[in-house]
Amino acid sequence: GDSVTQMEGPVTLSEEAFLTINCTYTATGYPSLFWYVQYPGEGLQLLLKATKADDKGSNKGFEATYRKETTSFHLEKGSVQVSDSAVYFCALSVWAGTASKLTFGTGTRLQVTL
Amino acid sequence: DAGVIQSPRHEVTEMGQEVTLRCKPISGHNSLFWYRQTMMRGLELLIYFNNNVPIDDSGMPEDRFSAKMPNASFSTLKIQPSEPRDSAVYFCASTRWLVPANTGELFFGEGSRLTVL
Repeated sequence: GDSVTQMEGPVTLSEEAFLTINCTYTATGYPSLFWYVQYPGEGLQLLLKATKADDKGSNKGFEATYRKETTSFHLEKGSVQVSDSAVYFCALSVWAGTASKLTFGTGTRLQVTL
Repeated sequence: DAGVIQSPRHEVTEMGQEVTLRCKPISGHNSLFWYRQTMMRGLELLIYFNNNVPIDDSGMPEDRFSAKMPNASFSTLKIQPSEPRDSAVYFCASTRWLVPANTGELFFGEGSRLTVL
């Protein structure tokens, strides 16, 4: 079945440090890939997405590239801020003929300190 | 525009009681999802509907759980009887899928935190 594996957290960084959160996937079809972010006490919200190989999704300084050859979609940011502290979820979606559903990874908690 | 609206935001109940969680999706969206989030198991898809029809309920843990979507603007998730292991945050999400593209973005509600004592 479809699955997403992402690095265990928590990840603790100092402000302005470089961030990488690894994500790899297994899918029976040709998936779209997503990163969602969950701030404390809130629901998940889409951060960025990529729908085909070599696409780069980007938003708010975050970016991730769809790598079909390595089945990966790693999240990166050049300089994190305290406000980026949240839980980040990698996810994939595969069309199933009548609808699609998202399969999420387990989430990686990011804590950014001053 | 209003987002996905869930109620109640918090529910504390005793084991054996019936719990009903409610969701109003974003107007115009035709797919609705119920997720459960716990520290131990992360985010689990329980069931999803397309055009008010349940498509996949394989994630529903057992017969104590049931979900309905009587119309395009309302869905319920019911647990009867509730047990302490049902304690979790339950999220509803909606989207408008474009056939046959699978690039839809899910819009999540703020969740219903359930505590079963």
